[in-house]
Amino acid sequence: AQSVTQPDIHITVSEGASLELRCNYSYGATPYLFWYVQSPGQGLQLLLKYFSGDTLVQGIKGFEAEFKRSQSSFNLRKPSVHWSDAAEYFCAVGDSNAGGTSYGKLTFGQGTILTVHP
Amino acid sequence: KAGVTQTPRYLIKTRGQQVTLSCSPISGHRSVSWYQQTPGQGLQFLFEYFSETQRNKGNFPGRFSGRQFSNSRSEMNVSTLELGDSALYLCASSPSVGNTEAFFGQGTRLTVV
Repeated sequence: AQSVTQPDIHITVSEGASLELRCNYSYGATPYLFWYVQSPGQGLQLLLKYFSGDTLVQGIKGFEAEFKRSQSSFNLRKPSVHWSDAAEYFCAVGDSNAGGTSYGKLTFGQGTILTVHP
Repeated sequence: KAGVTQTPRYLIKTRGQQVTLSCSPISGHRSVSWYQQTPGQGLQFLFEYFSETQRNKGNFPGRFSGRQFSNSRSEMNVSTLELGDSALYLCASSPSVGNTEAFFGQGTRLTVV
């Protein structure tokens, strides 16, 4: 069964500093990988996704993530954090069958809470 | 284009009661999935529907059920509520089967007392 690990429960950065949120996955087939962000009391917003191709993917709000198959990682990065980026971030892997066809099930990590200091 | 709409946003129920939550997907989306979010267990997959058929189910007891209508709207039902069912229930819609690019609603906050 697939699993996702986000090693950092809580990260604090200063506004303007760079950010990297870690994500490691366990999955036997070609992974479909996602990063979502959730503000308090809100639903999840998709930041970016990786299905195949270029291992560096660009997302919304200036975020990017790099897929590294050898390390089973999909870390999220942002060069300069804004106070409005404070939220909880979730990495997720999409389910697929042996033939690589994806289904709708997502397996999420436990989330990383980002605090931004002025 | 309107996003995923979940109703109601907040709900308080008593142990032993049942509850029905509603989800209207993005127009044109035919796949709907449901997730439960709690502080202890995080985000857990409940089930997925496509074309009125349940395609995938998570590890939840039979008290949790769902359905999808011909217009792709979906409902989930929880019977015999327990305190541990208190959670944020999130619905997500996707354009088609096999597409895991899910768009989430704001969720329904269920409190069981």
